[in-house]
Amino acid sequence: NAGVMQNPRHLVRRRGQEARLRCSPMKGHSHVYWYRQLPEEGLKFMVYLQKENIIDESGMPKERFSAEFPKEGPSILRIQQVVRGDSAAYFCASSPRQNNEQFFGPGTRLTVL
Amino acid sequence: GQQVMQIPQYQHVQEGEDFTTYCNSSTTLSNIQWYKQRPGGHPVFLIQLVKSGEVKKQKRLTFQFGEAKKNSSLHITATQTTDVGTYFCAGTMHQTGANNLFFGTGTRLTVIP
Repeated sequence: NAGVMQNPRHLVRRRGQEARLRCSPMKGHSHVYWYRQLPEEGLKFMVYLQKENIIDESGMPKERFSAEFPKEGPSILRIQQVVRGDSAAYFCASSPRQNNEQFFGPGTRLTVL
Repeated sequence: GQQVMQIPQYQHVQEGEDFTTYCNSSTTLSNIQWYKQRPGGHPVFLIQLVKSGEVKKQKRLTFQFGEAKKNSSLHITATQTTDVGTYFCAGTMHQTGANNLFFGTGTRLTVIP
């Protein structure tokens, strides 16, 4: 049973470009979470999705950030018009149900030049 | 806003010494989870505590959940170099009832051989 997959593992973008981060949850998991981690800091919750629905996006910046989890295919975290402050590691996690342990992917390390 | 603090932020121990990290929440938690993140890696789930006053053990690791469900601790007996990493607690806030995990600030453990 493959774990949570994230790609790309490393992404470099120039200011103003778009970044698309992909996350394939573990087989059988319908709950997906996205977190952001700055160097030497903890993980900050961004958004929680269940197939085709955004359940909680209270941690997501109101502008430039969006997330989806379509019926088919991976979950996508999209950052438009990236700025240097968006540079961070973005982790996706999945779980089979609510209030359960979360399985983390390897993360995407975004660098904005 | 809701906060989950951990102390200490850093801990250096000689191999064989014990280690404890403490987690404190500003609000009552529904449950608490503990994760370990190796340098350059992703968080890996260790355990979940749900009941007030609960104590769980995993080999050399002992986890406690406070009576008021606002604090928790992780104790490692006789540390080994494989214990190196950052330990995060993460809680679901009782008042929100959502599956939104608030991660603590983390304790980075260094074990000196």
